[in-house]
Amino acid sequence: SQQGEEDPQALSIQEGENATMNCSYKTSINNLQWYRQNSGRGLVHLILIRSNEREKHSGRLRVTLDTSKKSSSLLITASRAADTASYFCATDDPGGGADGLTFGKGTHLIIQP
Amino acid sequence: KAGVTQTPRYLIKTRGQQVTLSCSPISGHRSVSWYQQTPGQGLQFLFEYFSETQRNKGNFPGRFSGRQFSNSRSEMNVSTLELGDSALYLCASSYGGMNTEAFFGQGTRLTVV
Repeated sequence: SQQGEEDPQALSIQEGENATMNCSYKTSINNLQWYRQNSGRGLVHLILIRSNEREKHSGRLRVTLDTSKKSSSLLITASRAADTASYFCATDDPGGGADGLTFGKGTHLIIQP
Repeated sequence: KAGVTQTPRYLIKTRGQQVTLSCSPISGHRSVSWYQQTPGQGLQFLFEYFSETQRNKGNFPGRFSGRQFSNSRSEMNVSTLELGDSALYLCASSYGGMNTEAFFGQGTRLTVV
C-alpha cells in the first residue's frame, strides 16, 4: 500500500521562525490531508488538499501539493510554542478506501521559546 | 457541534482477556474508521464502517472486529489480548469516508499486561 513519508523526522526551531515539513507518497491520490497530534492524544485535522489543487492556506498554515513529484509540504509561519507537536500527512486510496487513510511516521516539531 | 467521543480513555487489561472500545462520531457523520497507533508501526488502519456496514478492512487478525449501530456509534472489540495489542486506538468520523475530512477522537490508551 502507498505510504506518506514525512521529512524531516524531527525539527527544532525558535519561536517566531517558519517551519517547513515535507511529505512524499508513492501512488496516485484523490487528496492529501495534514494532521497535528499533541503528545499521544488525538489527531487534529489541519488541511485537506485535493489532487487538482496546488496550494491551500489556512491561517498560518500553507500546504502545497505537487502530484508530478508525489510530494506535499506544510509551512507553518511565525511559529508559536503551542505549535509543538507531531505532524502527519495522510493519503487516501483512490481504489476505494480499502487501505483507509495511510499515514506517514510524522515530523516531530519542537518550538523553542 | 460535539466532536468525536471515545470511551474509555484508558484501559489496562490482562493477556487473554477481551476488550470493547466505543466511539461516538460527529452528528451527521456516517463513516467511522478505527486506527491503531504504536511507536513502532505508527498509525495503521483497522477498519471502516459506513451506514452499519464494514466497508473496508486493514491487515489485522480476526481478533480485531467492530460494528456500527444505526445511530452511527461504533464499537471495536479485541479478543484474546496480546502484549503487542498495547496501543493508542483512534476513531475517526467523516461524512463521506476516505475522500473527505476525517475528525479524530482523543483515543483510548490500551495497556495489556
